[in-house]
Amino acid sequence: DQQVKQNSPSLSVQEGRISILNCDYTNSMFDYFLWYKKYPAEGPTFLISISSIKDKNEDGRFTVFLNKSAKHLSLHIVPSQPGDSAVYFCAASTPGTYKYIFGTGTRLKVLA
Amino acid sequence: DAEITQSPRHKITETGRQVTLACHQTWNHNNMFWYRQDLGHGLRLIHYSYGVHDTNKGEVSDGYSVSRSNTEDLPLTLESAASSQTSVYFCASRREPNTEAFFGQGTRLTVV
Repeated sequence: DQQVKQNSPSLSVQEGRISILNCDYTNSMFDYFLWYKKYPAEGPTFLISISSIKDKNEDGRFTVFLNKSAKHLSLHIVPSQPGDSAVYFCAASTPGTYKYIFGTGTRLKVLA
Repeated sequence: DAEITQSPRHKITETGRQVTLACHQTWNHNNMFWYRQDLGHGLRLIHYSYGVHDTNKGEVSDGYSVSRSNTEDLPLTLESAASSQTSVYFCASRREPNTEAFFGQGTRLTVV
């Protein structure tokens, strides 16, 4: 049972445009969410997080939006750059155990 | 600088052999995790630990074990390697719940 889902395996965007990566979850008890970026042959690196008490968090070109009623999380990258080409994972934290459950990832390709 | 390191980076082993993957972090983090990454499955949690002598099973723990004898290390052991355990393995650590987790570079394990 996949509790965190990224339904788009891949996404291509032109350089300078907005990239929107989506994530859906099924467990309404999740209270903390994260986005990670992963380049080939490297470990995932943390991008941005959001607590369930907020609906938006910004860090430079990256903004995460949380819609609790829809159980939906999105990451916006503006403007997109070729160096943003990577696999992006969303993750959610389970209250109590505080395990991070990851989605299946979305491969973003930013075209120059 | 503090870091998290995994060894070996690449390993080929035969079916039925016992294999141990090492994970060492110098942040003095209490929380440590092991994930495996497979195409179509994203990052799946194998085992995790919240402190010395504490270990817990994750989503895909069958065939794996961990032990935590000190704060810095969480070795992952495959008791009897199977071809289904061919994967890329990532270790991660974090200071406390609902904070970013830092990942190692990964170990690519091939079971033949």
